Amino acid sequence: QSALTQPPSASGSAGQSVTISCTGTSSDVGAFNYVFWYQQHPGKAPKLIIYEVSERPSGVPARFSGSKSDSTAFLTVSGLQFEDDADYYCASYAGAGDLVFGGGTRLTVL
Amino acid sequence: DVQLVESGGGLVQPGGSLRLSCAASGFNFREHYISWVRQAPGKGLEWVATIRLEGYDLCYVDSVKGRFTISRDNAKNSAYLQMNSLRVEDTAVYYCAKWRIGGIEYWGQGTPVTVSS
Repeated sequence: QSALTQPPSASGSAGQSVTISCTGTSSDVGAFNYVFWYQQHPGKAPKLIIYEVSERPSGVPARFSGSKSDSTAFLTVSGLQFEDDADYYCASYAGAGDLVFGGGTRLTVL
Repeated sequence: DVQLVESGGGLVQPGGSLRLSCAASGFNFREHYISWVRQAPGKGLEWVATIRLEGYDLCYVDSVKGRFTISRDNAKNSAYLQMNSLRVEDTAVYYCAKWRIGGIEYWGQGTPVTVSS
């Protein structure tokens, strides 16, 4: 039940792209295509923005995309907008109802 | 619309107990796993526990095993988290969350728990 590894911070100018990594192990990210990404604004509940590695829920802008390579997942935000300034968390299924989260990445839009 | 409304949080002394409740609506409750996830002040998200469909399969993070119990009442569309032997490090906002296949899809707004003397 070790946390997934995310960079603590990331930044980009409005209109640019930024990619956040999420590194796990062969028991979680590497074992399942069940990587989820959440956006959290201060004082608010998390919101799902990517599920099953690369799928976007209805209503989530197409500028959010996800991918995975071996035990590392990636969230890319293209065409950064100021409202994307938030914390981002990855999560992976780890078997038998267990979940593991990343430590979170603070994305700053300059 | 999916709604998850938590209640039962508050201030409790170390060693004390609290029971959190989660009232669900807007989906077929009995067909979805439910989890509790917590977030300590200024910290990240930590999965706490998951209960499967009929309530017989339970999973917990190691740090709460033997102290917390997750349960559900499908007839009442509700889930619960009984927290005993609370520690200062259990202080957090506790979120109730609904699963889709493989992970959490929807979150409640959270209920704060403070463990302090």
